[in-house]
This record gives sequence, structure tokens and C-alpha cells, in this order.
Amino acid sequence: GAVVSQHPSRVICKSGTSVKIECRSLDFQATTMFWYRQFPKQSLMLMATSNEGSKATYEQGVEKDKFLINHASLTLSTLTVTSAHPEDSSFYICSARDGQGTSEQFFGPGTRLTVL
Amino acid sequence: DAKTTQPPSMDCAEGRAANLPCNHSTISGNEYVYWYRQIHSQGPQYIIHGLKNNETNEMASLIITEDRKSSTLILPHATLRDTAVYYCIVRVGGSSNTGKLIFGQGTTLQVKP
Repeated sequence: GAVVSQHPSRVICKSGTSVKIECRSLDFQATTMFWYRQFPKQSLMLMATSNEGSKATYEQGVEKDKFLINHASLTLSTLTVTSAHPEDSSFYICSARDGQGTSEQFFGPGTRLTVL
Repeated sequence: DAKTTQPPSMDCAEGRAANLPCNHSTISGNEYVYWYRQIHSQGPQYIIHGLKNNETNEMASLIITEDRKSSTLILPHATLRDTAVYYCIVRVGGSSNTGKLIFGQGTTLQVKP
């Protein structure tokens, strides 16, 4: 299947700082990218959907000013957690899909964020 | 939005077939059923998806009932590496480009030697 990468795989930061996570589709053009968050022993929760060149659509309850998403190209999306706090510590996973509506959706390996 | 119901956990003997059920009684006519699995601390891995017909690939088979209200994922010869959380997902938004995958709690499959 297609490959989606994330960087970094793990990050530790101090409370109040901002953290940027990159998501790349390596062998296909991702017209749509998704960002999920997963807390320990819980399922994935969709945070937002972004289409290349457009503003992201956030799920209910997700603060768009705190979780900034940029999808500037067909192979790259970034998630910036602004003014991170310990409660933002989680496993962040991106996903990407090409332009065909019924196509598979591929997931990245995830980024473990720990806010001290 | 269609939702899915899965048993929280299942065991399977190594080498035997693993049959994972999923109920999606409120599914709409244009909504696909997707199956993913997640091994601990990794991103979900795509397994298979289908709309009406049964599907098979190198990983698994997907059996969808005629009324589409339930489906079963079959791993024909489970190995220890198949131990994972398996998610049955009805894609919200159907086949449109705005469709998205909303994860439920999944089934934790434990393959035992």
C-alpha cells in the first residue's frame, strides 16, 4: 500500500511551547489529509480534515486556534499544537487519501507528544 | 452517521481462522464498510473494504450480508502477528470525496499459540 510518513515520531516539550508535526504522502498525491488523536487505551478521534489549498474542517469540540493545520501541497500537511499543555499529550496520527472518493485511506505511524 | 458495533475482545488459536463480526444496522446505501487494524503504538493498517459484494485480498476476506446490516472479517490462518485491535468502520459521507473514517472501539483480537 501507499506510504505515509510522520515526523517526528516522538517529541517531548515544555508546557507553553508550540510543536509542529509533519505528515507526508511519499508515493501518491494526497488531496485530502486527516488528523487524529489517540489517548491511551482509547480509539482514534478525528480532529480535522484538510484538502490541499483549503482551510481545514475541524470536528466539533476541537479548537482550531490551538491545533493549526496547514495543507500547502499535495504531499505535505502539518499540525501545530500551539501553547501545548500536559493534557495535549497524546498520540497524533495523520492519514491521507488520493482524489478518488472510494480509495483507500492510509495512515502514518503516529507521533507521540509528551508535554511536561 | 452509521455506527458500528463490535465485540470488545476475541481470542483465536494460531493457524485457525479468525472471524470478526461487525453490526452496522443503520448503514446507508452508498456507505462503504472498511476494516483497519492497529498494532500497539502504530498507525492503523488498511485491511479491506467493500460496499455490497464479498471481497477478498491477500490479507483477509470480507463477507457482507445481503441486507448490509452486518459484516464479518475473516483472517483465514491467524498468526501471532495478527494480534491487534481491529476496527470496523462505516465511512461517513459514503463514496464522496468528503467521506471520512470515524473509529469506534474496535475488537481486540488475541491470537494464542
